[in-house]
Amino acid sequence: GDSVTQMEGPVTLSEEAFLTINCTYTATGYPSLFWYVQYPGEGLQLLLKATKADDKGSNKGFEATYRKETTSFHLEKGSVQVSDSAVYFCALGGGGGADGLTFGKGTHLIIQP
Amino acid sequence: NAGVMQNPRHLVRRRGQEARLRCSPMKGHSHVYWYRQLPEEGLKFMVYLQKENIIDESGMPKERFSAEFPKEGPSILRIQQVVRGDSAAYFCASSTTSGRENSYEQYFGPGTRLTVT
Repeated sequence: GDSVTQMEGPVTLSEEAFLTINCTYTATGYPSLFWYVQYPGEGLQLLLKATKADDKGSNKGFEATYRKETTSFHLEKGSVQVSDSAVYFCALGGGGGADGLTFGKGTHLIIQP
Repeated sequence: NAGVMQNPRHLVRRRGQEARLRCSPMKGHSHVYWYRQLPEEGLKFMVYLQKENIIDESGMPKERFSAEFPKEGPSILRIQQVVRGDSAAYFCASSTTSGRENSYEQYFGPGTRLTVT
């Protein structure tokens, strides 16, 4: 079945550092790929998405490129802020034809001032 | 522009009681999905419903769990005879159309945190 693997956390960075959170996937077909962010005590917010190979999703300074050859969708940001502290989830939809999303376990990001 | 609404936000039940979780999708959305998040885990898909129909319940435990999305009113996730292992955050998501038609984009509610004592 479909699966998503993302780097374990917590990831601790200083403010203004460069961020990469790795995400790789296994899926049949041609899935859509997503990054969601969860702030403490809240639900998931869609951060960005890509629906086909070589698409780049971007939002709020975050970017991720759909790499079919390496089955990856790594999240990057050039300069993180304390307010970026949250849990980040990589997810895929439509790989095996199912309607539910398949999520990674999440990466807890901590940004220190 | 109200988003997905869930209530209650927190629910405490004793073992053996019933838990009823409610989800109102975003305005104009007629597709609802339920997910469960166990501590330190990602979200796991449970069930996908359209109005009055269960489309995919492949992630739903076979016993004690049921879901509905009536013609009028919110979607309900019902857990009968709760056990400690049911303690988790339950999230609802909604979409305008089926996944195949909207690239699987879903919008999530704030979740219901169920604690079984």
